[in-house]
Amino acid sequence: GAGVSQSPSNKVTEKGKDVELRCDPISGHTALYWYRQSLGQGLEFLIYFQGNSAPDKSGLPSDRFSAERTGGSVSTLTIQRTQQEDSAVYLCASSSRAGQGYEKLFFGSGTQLSVL
Amino acid sequence: DAKTTQPPSMDCAEGRAANLPCNHSTISGNEYVYWYRQIHSQGPQYIIHGLKNNETNEMASLIITEDRKSSTLILPHATLRDTAVYYCIALSNSGYALNFGKGTSLLVTP
Repeated sequence: GAGVSQSPSNKVTEKGKDVELRCDPISGHTALYWYRQSLGQGLEFLIYFQGNSAPDKSGLPSDRFSAERTGGSVSTLTIQRTQQEDSAVYLCASSSRAGQGYEKLFFGSGTQLSVL
Repeated sequence: DAKTTQPPSMDCAEGRAANLPCNHSTISGNEYVYWYRQIHSQGPQYIIHGLKNNETNEMASLIITEDRKSSTLILPHATLRDTAVYYCIALSNSGYALNFGKGTSLLVTP
């Protein structure tokens, strides 16, 4: 596709349920990021994938959060046993990491997660 | 990567230049300054980046001070559609973007 695609765009779930959020990065982009943005706040880094390297999971807020990236392309962010404080917009971004000395991130439109 | 500091909000009249400051006093020599903006309910969008020279593209200009401790993003003729949150981050080529702060909320008024 032309840009980063995220699905679903909106997700409403009940407290305690598991949710999966999907990100399709731009074709050929080796780096993929997940961010979380709570209402009125900045972007909080969650996890970073780069090629075949081990992901940087340092931003994941608890062990209820996990992410995978299969085949170096599509990524899924899973939140188990959701809590109301997990309600936020979850943003995915990708970049080419072309070694040019700088990096442009391309963001998707996000998934608005609401935990009731 | 260096921490950046931005004012929380600014106003600008439509048609005027919007000058958005960013302080990055601890920036190191290999860190680029990047600007992104986020229009309500959308993902952030890349605007411009620079290392030490001033830069200009179709969206904006970036002025970096000689000591590189601060920079200014300039929107030369602001329009209502430029109302957004603007984020300034400093990032080396071996690093990767971590947290974006709260940025500057720019309101362009008629």
